[in-house]
Amino acid sequence: AQSVSQHNHHVILSEAASLELGCNYSYGGTVNLFWYVQYPGQHLQLLLKYFSGDPLVKGIKGFEAEFIKSKFSFNLRKPSVQWSDTAEYFCAVSPTGTASKLTFGTGTRLQVTL
Amino acid sequence: DTAVSQTPKYLVTQMGNDKSIKCEQNLGHDTMYWYKQDSKKFLKIMFSYNNKELIINETVPNRFSPKSPDKAHLNLHINSLELGDSAVYFCASTMTPSYEQYFGPGTRLTVT
Repeated sequence: AQSVSQHNHHVILSEAASLELGCNYSYGGTVNLFWYVQYPGQHLQLLLKYFSGDPLVKGIKGFEAEFIKSKFSFNLRKPSVQWSDTAEYFCAVSPTGTASKLTFGTGTRLQVTL
Repeated sequence: DTAVSQTPKYLVTQMGNDKSIKCEQNLGHDTMYWYKQDSKKFLKIMFSYNNKELIINETVPNRFSPKSPDKAHLNLHINSLELGDSAVYFCASTMTPSYEQYFGPGTRLTVT
């Protein structure tokens, strides 16, 4: 079974600071990787996804993530955060070949201060 | 133009009661899911249906029973509610083999 680790539980940054959130997964086969964001009181929205090809993936709102297969990692980055990026961020993985069973990490709460 | 909708948004009930949560998607997807998000924000899959057939059934008490009357609907019925059932329940859908899941707004269940 797959598992996902997000080591940063709570991150506090000032506006304009750069962001990197860690995500590592454990699975013996090939996977699809996702980052979802949950703004306060809202549902989950997809930020970006990786299925295959270029390991550097660009998503919405200036976010990007890099898949490093040798490290089983899919870290999320943003060069300059805004106050409106305050949210909970979830990394998720599903085995390729199936649309089922997204496994989520425990989430990282990002707080951006003015 | 709500893609995945859930009703109710909030549900407060007493221990021992039976309640249902409904989910509908208008995206034409063929696979739907129920997730539970606990107080620490941890999200865990509970069930998945593909074309009205149950394809994922995680380790969930049998007090929880999903029902899918058609591809666009997936309901969750919970019997004999317990304090530990308090959580936010999210419905999601996808079109195989897209892998990208679209989430509903969630139902916050509080058991007192």
